[in-house]
Amino acid sequence: QVQLVQSGAEVRMPGSSVKVSCKASGGIFGSYSVSWVRQAPGQGLEWMGEIMPLAGKINYAQKFQGRVTITAVESASTVYMELSSLRSEDTAVYYCARIYVSVLWYWGQGTLVTVSS
Amino acid sequence: DIQMTQSPSTLSASVGDRVTITCRASQSLSPWLAWYQQKPGKAPKLLIYKTSDLESAVPSRFSGSASGTDFTLTIAGLQPDDFATYYCQQYKTYPWTFGQGTKVEVK
Repeated sequence: QVQLVQSGAEVRMPGSSVKVSCKASGGIFGSYSVSWVRQAPGQGLEWMGEIMPLAGKINYAQKFQGRVTITAVESASTVYMELSSLRSEDTAVYYCARIYVSVLWYWGQGTLVTVSS
Repeated sequence: DIQMTQSPSTLSASVGDRVTITCRASQSLSPWLAWYQQKPGKAPKLLIYKTSDLESAVPSRFSGSASGTDFTLTIAGLQPDDFATYYCQQYKTYPWTFGQGTKVEVK
């Protein structure tokens, strides 16, 4: 039974950074990719990037290049997404999702990040 | 980037109706298209992948098809549990992109 459990809600000031975690259970960590997708309030889904631990590859959406960092710690079975230089438009629910047969098969519960002064 | 144009944005329907949602891609991507269902306050849930393959737990009233760069999600006989928002997503090319979503609401 694959499960992804994300860290709790965060509130940040504009200009600061936030780091969200995604702990995986079930399956062999490192042998599958994990993506991050965000959803602003009342809006659609937006893919941010993906890490492929086994291959040592990371892909970021151009929109977030330079501001987002996705990392994986195999010993903790955890993937992290750090977003810097936060602005109000980054207020959103951030989801991690495990890739299976190339699609976003298993999803975390989501983490609300609020950026406000 | 591949643009995904989904229509309609809102669809009003009744239980038992046949519902069709369309997603048009800005370039060829078959068969690398998925459909997700999302309910308020919940994470999206995979329904269909590779255009027409159903996730194993998804009821058979859901189906997917394609014609060129047009992709369709059909719900044959809408059930109360199906009122939700649906998204298409292409995974042929990075960055993966989603349609804007279709909210299926009670008529």
